[in-house]
Amino acid sequence: EVQVVESGGGLVQPGGSLRLSCAASGFTFSSYWMHWVRQAPGKGLVWVSRINGDGSTTNYADSVKGRFTISRDNAKNTLYLQMNSLRAEDTAVYYCVREEWSAVVGFDYWGQGTLVTVSS
Amino acid sequence: DIVMTQSPDSLAVSLGERATINCKSSQSILHGSNNKDSLVWYQQKPGQPPKLLLYWASTRESGVPDRFSGSGSGTDFTLTISSLQAEDVAVYYCQQYYNTPRTFGQGTKVEIK
Repeated sequence: EVQVVESGGGLVQPGGSLRLSCAASGFTFSSYWMHWVRQAPGKGLVWVSRINGDGSTTNYADSVKGRFTISRDNAKNTLYLQMNSLRAEDTAVYYCVREEWSAVVGFDYWGQGTLVTVSS
Repeated sequence: DIVMTQSPDSLAVSLGERATINCKSSQSILHGSNNKDSLVWYQQKPGQPPKLLLYWASTRESGVPDRFSGSGSGTDFTLTISSLQAEDVAVYYCQQYYNTPRTFGQGTKVEIK
């Protein structure tokens, strides 16, 4: 069974840092692009970042570029999001998402999300 | 960036009636390799992550009831729920995967009238 499970969220002060993790299981992790998508309380879905299977290609939303870093450890089947210089507007549930590009196309597996709250 | 605009922001439909949600992209999202539109629809119920419903604008994901259908091409797309059920109360999002950033529409909240 495919599973992605996020962890690492919590309360952090403005300007602080946090690292999110996403443990993947049930599929060949290194074969997939992985993404982070966030959702502020009561708001819509916003794409944050993506990384390819071997970690050589990354992309970021303009709103987090230069502050967030996506990475992966394929030996541990784990995706990461290092978040620095956090702002109040980064407060959101962060979802780890697998992107499929074969029989199905799109974000086919989502974690339950981890809440990041940036507040003093 | 491709801007995805949904309408309406919310709608209330009686049980058994049709619900129609529109999604417009700011540019063509036609995938050159297969001549299909790079559009996905998701359903998000309260307290849950989104669930993939349809891809390539009109292909249903396995297990999705056939009352959900997608149509449209070019820049204008539609999600139709042919006969609304109580379990369909949710927020629905369109998303383009033509390029990065993978932009979403703002969401449409579907409720029971």
